[in-house]
Amino acid sequence: KAGVTQTPRYLIKTRGQQVTLSCSPISGHRSVSWYQQTPGQGLQFLFEYFSETQRNKGNFPGRFSGRQFSNSRSEMNVSTLELGDSALYLCASSRLGQGRTGELFFGEGSRLTVL
Amino acid sequence: TQLLEQSPQFLSIQEGENLTVYCNSSSVFSSLQWYRQEPGEGPVLLVTVVTGGEVKKLKRLTFQFGDARKDSSLHITAAQTGDTGLYLCAGLMTTDSWGKLQFGAGTQVVVTP
Repeated sequence: KAGVTQTPRYLIKTRGQQVTLSCSPISGHRSVSWYQQTPGQGLQFLFEYFSETQRNKGNFPGRFSGRQFSNSRSEMNVSTLELGDSALYLCASSRLGQGRTGELFFGEGSRLTVL
Repeated sequence: TQLLEQSPQFLSIQEGENLTVYCNSSSVFSSLQWYRQEPGEGPVLLVTVVTGGEVKKLKRLTFQFGDARKDSSLHITAAQTGDTGLYLCAGLMTTDSWGKLQFGAGTQVVVTP
């Protein structure tokens, strides 16, 4: 069974630009959650999508947005990039939503560097 | 403030030694998960504990859920270099479908030969 696939794995952007990250969940999983991971803040929850609807949201500014498609693939977008947005962005899938079992399957992440 | 406090933050030991990582909270959890993250990869689920007092073993790793379901521990016996990684505990306070998993800040474990 293929795991969670995230693209791109690495990217470098400059301040003010925008970026789109993609995530393909495990086949049959309808929930996709996004996290930001930095050394200082640890894993911070961005949002969760289930059946194309945002079901939960963390405490991030509106520059961070996401969407989910009918095939459960998800994208997240960060506009007007700031230096502090440099981080590892992790996508995680679950069959019924993270709130049901807490069991998430993570991708390898997209490492974003903002210069 | 983290809902789940992990200790220690960093642990460096030699191969063959034992170690214990703690995950504590003042809140009650319906379930608690342990994940391990290796450099350059995403976290991987190791175990889920659900019942107060539950003990689960995964080869040399022993996981325990506190009787009151507020805390958990991970014990590694005879650590190997392959056990190096960031250990994260995470907990669910509800079984509501749209509840959020709460993550601790993690314990970085380094096992040297």
